[in-house]
Amino acid sequence: KAGVTQTPRYLIKTRGQQVTLSCSPISGHRSVSWYQQTPGQGLQFLFEYFSETQRNKGNFPGRFSGRQFSNSRSEMNVSTLELGDSALYLCASAFISGQGYEQYFGPGTRLTVT
Amino acid sequence: SQQGEEDPQALSIQEGENATMNCSYKTSINNLQWYRQNSGRGLVHLILIRSNEREKHSGRLRVTLDTSKKSSSLLITASRAADTASYFCATDSHNQGGKLIFGQGTELSVKP
Repeated sequence: KAGVTQTPRYLIKTRGQQVTLSCSPISGHRSVSWYQQTPGQGLQFLFEYFSETQRNKGNFPGRFSGRQFSNSRSEMNVSTLELGDSALYLCASAFISGQGYEQYFGPGTRLTVT
Repeated sequence: SQQGEEDPQALSIQEGENATMNCSYKTSINNLQWYRQNSGRGLVHLILIRSNEREKHSGRLRVTLDTSKKSSSLLITASRAADTASYFCATDSHNQGGKLIFGQGTELSVKP
């Protein structure tokens, strides 16, 4: 099976702009989660989508939003970019069994805000 | 904020030696997973251990889980230079769906 793919891999934006990141999960996985990784805060959960519905949300401002399509692909949007949004954004798709989630990550999108 | 801590923060060993990393967490969990990350790239899934399991093996990896102490350890045996990476533990909890809480990570350096 192909792994989780994320596009674009690198992005440079200026403050105030908005950005959309895309994630295609492993075939058959219906759960997609997004994480932000920074040197200061480490890996932090943004949100999770399952069957086109947001199931869980982390402690991020409303500028961070997402959605999931019927084919399980997901997009994440950040509006009014700030310098502090510079980070590696990771998407994970999950195989869900009766005992929980097994999550597989994509290569990430490196966002730089100038 | 993160669930817990990993210890040590950095570890430097010679090829062929074993590397042990520890992870502590704060709340009750459903599963605990270990991931490897090379130089700011994506996370590679290494192993998942369920809360009702105490030990699990995968190739050169051995993971233990002690839910009474809320801790886990990852042992890499006969390490190789290619094992140089950051290692993270991540936990998920009941009723939290796919939300993973990560530790701060251990930076492992294996010298040839």
